[in-house]
Amino acid sequence: NAGVMQNPRHLVRRRGQEARLRCSPMKGHSHVYWYRQLPEEGLKFMVYLQKENIIDESGMPKERFSAEFPKEGPSILRIQQVVRGDSAAYFCASSPPAGQGAEQYFGPGTRLTVT
Amino acid sequence: KNQVEQSPQSLIILEGKNCTLQCNYTVSPFSNLRWYKQDTGRGPVSLTIMTFSENTKSNGRYTATLDADTKQSSLHITASQLSDSASYICVVIPSGGYQKVTFGIGTKLQVIP
Repeated sequence: NAGVMQNPRHLVRRRGQEARLRCSPMKGHSHVYWYRQLPEEGLKFMVYLQKENIIDESGMPKERFSAEFPKEGPSILRIQQVVRGDSAAYFCASSPPAGQGAEQYFGPGTRLTVT
Repeated sequence: KNQVEQSPQSLIILEGKNCTLQCNYTVSPFSNLRWYKQDTGRGPVSLTIMTFSENTKSNGRYTATLDADTKQSSLHITASQLSDSASYICVVIPSGGYQKVTFGIGTKLQVIP
């Protein structure tokens, strides 16, 4: 049973370009969470999704950021018109549908560098 | 002010020694408190999960304690190994939803031979 997979592991974008980060949850997991980690800072919650539904996006910037978790395929975190401040590690976690107490399993992260 | 404060920020110990990491939180009410280990360049890995009614939880050489009255948790590592070098993150999950999941900044532990 493969763990949570994220790709790419490293992504370099120029200012103004789009970044697409992918997350494939563990088999049997229908809940996905995205977090952002800035250098020397703790992880910050961005968005919580279930299949085809955004449950909570209160941690995600209102502009330029969007997330989806389609019926088929991975979850996508999309950042449009990237700026230098978007440079960070973006982690995805998944959990089984067991509610708030379900353990989250993290992927290895995507390190985004905006030049 | 962060709702989850961890101390110390960093720690260096000799291989084989024990250490204790602290987590003070103000999040209330909370559903559960978790400790994660994050190796450099990797995603966090869960070590322990405790509900508010639990006082202690062990996972091998890791033992977490929780005092819900004083809102403090600790992670004790016994007989440290070089592979324990990592960041240890305290996470508090509040009652009511994920929008307020609060991560501590973590304690960077370095175990030296």
